[in-house]
This record gives sequence, structure tokens and C-alpha cells, in this order.
Amino acid sequence: DTAVSQTPKYLVTQMGNDKSIKCEQNLGHDTMYWYKQDSKKFLKIMFSYNNKELIINETVPNRFSPKSPDKAHLNLHINSLELGDSAVYFCASSPAGLLRGYTFGSGTRLTVV
Amino acid sequence: GENVEQHPSTLSVQEGDSAVIKCTYSDSASNYFPWYKQELGKRPQLIIDIRSNVGEKKDQRIAVTLNKTAKHFSLHITETQPEDSAVYFCAAMSAGGTSYGKLTFGQGTILTVHP
Repeated sequence: DTAVSQTPKYLVTQMGNDKSIKCEQNLGHDTMYWYKQDSKKFLKIMFSYNNKELIINETVPNRFSPKSPDKAHLNLHINSLELGDSAVYFCASSPAGLLRGYTFGSGTRLTVV
Repeated sequence: GENVEQHPSTLSVQEGDSAVIKCTYSDSASNYFPWYKQELGKRPQLIIDIRSNVGEKKDQRIAVTLNKTAKHFSLHITETQPEDSAVYFCAAMSAGGTSYGKLTFGQGTILTVHP
């Protein structure tokens, strides 16, 4: 069983479209995250949810809206896609409390054309 | 907020040599420092971590050292093998305020081990 799974793995879409990426974890973790990895491989946090509650919201355009229906799922919806949104998006999860590493999903490669 | 600087950005070694990657962080309240390995097209995977109450930790061929006073930590890989070739990321976890539990990553080091 995959611990943190993301769908789809690849997403190619046109500018202006709206798309969603889904993430599910079966580790029983309380906290989930979305990270964006750009073409230079830099990993930057976008959002963090703890038990369905938003706890970190970095400087991300309003076009990005996370949704956590339960603590095992964290989805990312993106409106009005732009060329600069092209990147690999990683979902991750971690157990409650500090001093614990994250487990990452396999990533979604988004290409906006 | 936390800022993590990682050097070098690329590192090329011969098989069997040692490799060292260094990171500095800015937030003195950070207290957890993991290292991740990312192979091409794959997810980042945790390879070793260190907590702020420990100065050094070793796991087979990899070791991490932490100097809290200098806000500096390093990854050491001995007897490198071609399968060690990957991008390595250091990270620091924020302990307080609105950044609670947030991992800030360094820019990554592309390690190439030549047979």
C-alpha cells in the first residue's frame, strides 16, 4: 500500500483552465502539506493542514485553494492556471507533534501550455 | 521566518571518496534537522535526521553533525557509491509561532558519484 498517494501523476493543461490534484495518506498522520518544486528543484511550502484545519498558508496566490475533507485527504484546486504554475507539486504528511520528518507523495507534474 | 542556505549546489566525487554537504539556518528556535535524498523523477525520501539536543548521529555510511551555536549542520557520506547519486536536501523545522512544524528546505545539492 502506498503511504501517501497523489493523483494524477501528470497533468498537462491550457492556460486559464481550472484543475485539481488529490492527495490521500493511510499513515494515520494528523498533518498534511502541499509543497511546490520548481524547475531549479527548490522545495517551497504552500499550505499545511492539521486535522482538517489550515495552519500554514504561505504567500500563495488566491487561485490556489486547498481543501481537507478529513485528516487523511488534502486536495489542491487551482483556478485560472498560468504558465508560471508549471512545477511538480508534492503532498506530504507527518505525525502529530514536532521533531518528525515528512513522508512525501510521488508528486504531480503540472505543465501549463 | 526561517532561511536555510545549502552548499555546494553541485558536488562531483569518485566512487569510494567521501562527500560533505553543509547547511546553515537562521532561526535559533529551530530544533529538528532532516536530510532528504531525491532521485531523478522520484519523491524526496528521509535518509537521516538530527534533533537539537544531539551533536552527531550516524547510520552506516551517512552521518550528520549539528552545531547549534553556529547554526550549522552537515551531511557526511563515506565510501560513496554510484547509487548515492541524487539531489540531497537539508531542512530545518520551525518550533514556534505561525510556522509551527514547518520544514524549510535548502536549495539542494546535486551529488554525482563517478564509477
